[in-house]
Amino acid sequence: DAKTTQPPSMDCAEGRAANLPCNHSTISGNEYVYWYRQIHSQGPQYIIHGLKNNETNEMASLIITEDRKSSTLILPHATLRDTAVYYCIVRNAGNMLTFGGGTRLMVKP
Amino acid sequence: DAGITQSPRHKVTETGTPVTLRCHQTENHRYMYWYRQDPGHGLRLIHYSYGVKDTDKGEVSDGYSVSRSKTEDFLLTLESATSSQTSVYFCAISEYRDRILETQYFGPGTRLLVL
Repeated sequence: DAKTTQPPSMDCAEGRAANLPCNHSTISGNEYVYWYRQIHSQGPQYIIHGLKNNETNEMASLIITEDRKSSTLILPHATLRDTAVYYCIVRNAGNMLTFGGGTRLMVKP
Repeated sequence: DAGITQSPRHKVTETGTPVTLRCHQTENHRYMYWYRQDPGHGLRLIHYSYGVKDTDKGEVSDGYSVSRSKTEDFLLTLESATSSQTSVYFCAISEYRDRILETQYFGPGTRLLVL
């Protein structure tokens, strides 16, 4: 599976949009982009995933560039409860998840 | 939330003792996984199961064994616990449909301290 690169940490003001970037320049055509988050002391929580098209659900939006070499997870109105480590994972449909270091998002009042 | 429970949620044990952690699911998913999470290492796969009595090793399987005698339960055993196995252990489940391994859902975790 392709390797991903994320900034180690980011801050965001409460109520503003949080935009978390992820680079995956070696992604191949059949690999999906997954986002998970882990709130302190809890198990990882699935957020969203996509292959080529942008995706949106009740938690977030996923924007994938046309060349698929990078993506952005958008939390439209961040709250204090969104403070967590966010993991961007690229994987083939048949393979398991491999978690990297993630981005530690701090939402501040 | 996916119906995944882990027991115990916290355990303190001594070096050399056997320890068994249990993962129970109510989703009837075929795939189950055990991960450990340590500072600086993220989540690492220990073992996984792709059906009853079907298991395979992950990247950090040494010192661990697993068993799956029924769909809903996946047991992780430390035959002789060592201090290096102090960690937080997460169970996860997923299903395989149309040749796609679907999203994994995680349990709440078990904190194990080996003294």
